Amino acid sequence: ETGVTQSPTHLIKTRGQQVTLRCSSQSGHNTVSWYQQALGQGPQFIFQYYREEENGRGNFPPRFSGLQFPNYSSELNVNALELDDSALYLCASSSFGGHQPQHFGDGTRLSIL
Amino acid sequence: AQSVTQPDIHITVSEGASLELRCNYSYGATPYLFWYVQSPGQGLQLLLKYFSGDTLVQGIKGFEAEFKRSQSSFNLRKPSVHWSDAAEYFCAVGGNDDYKLSFGAGTTVTVRA
Repeated sequence: ETGVTQSPTHLIKTRGQQVTLRCSSQSGHNTVSWYQQALGQGPQFIFQYYREEENGRGNFPPRFSGLQFPNYSSELNVNALELDDSALYLCASSSFGGHQPQHFGDGTRLSIL
Repeated sequence: AQSVTQPDIHITVSEGASLELRCNYSYGATPYLFWYVQSPGQGLQLLLKYFSGDTLVQGIKGFEAEFKRSQSSFNLRKPSVHWSDAAEYFCAVGGNDDYKLSFGAGTTVTVRA
């Protein structure tokens, strides 16, 4: 069974740039959720994708957007990067439903200069 | 609104000693509760989950947790800690019709020889 994989592992950008982070879901999973984890904090929910559509969204501005593809992989796009966007971005996959445990990748560490 | 409180920011325990991590949640309906562990530079690994039924749940790596509805708590325990248990531990809450997990701020566990 292949777990959740994320790329790239690390990324350095400057303010105002745009970034795309990628996630391949675990085999058998059809739902992908994205979380932002700032240093020293717990993960914060960004949004979830199911059937290639956004299924729910946390308290993040519209410059955070995403996609889900037919093979259930997903992208997180962030426009107009700000210093506060520096964080570990975690992708989690699951079967659909709140009771289904989410399985996390190792994350992408994004640093904004 | 759902939320999780982990009162202990940092716990130091001797190898072989018992460990208990506290978690209090706020959720308007029947909660689904999870404990995850995060090692430095890695993603989150699911330790155990509670949906319904027996309030004492067993997880991986010798961990167990007890759900107490009257106290809105879901504390994690391990009878005998190993040096490899040093990590960050996160409690999370979700629900049946919920698409997101809400995480606590985490508890850092240090194991001394």
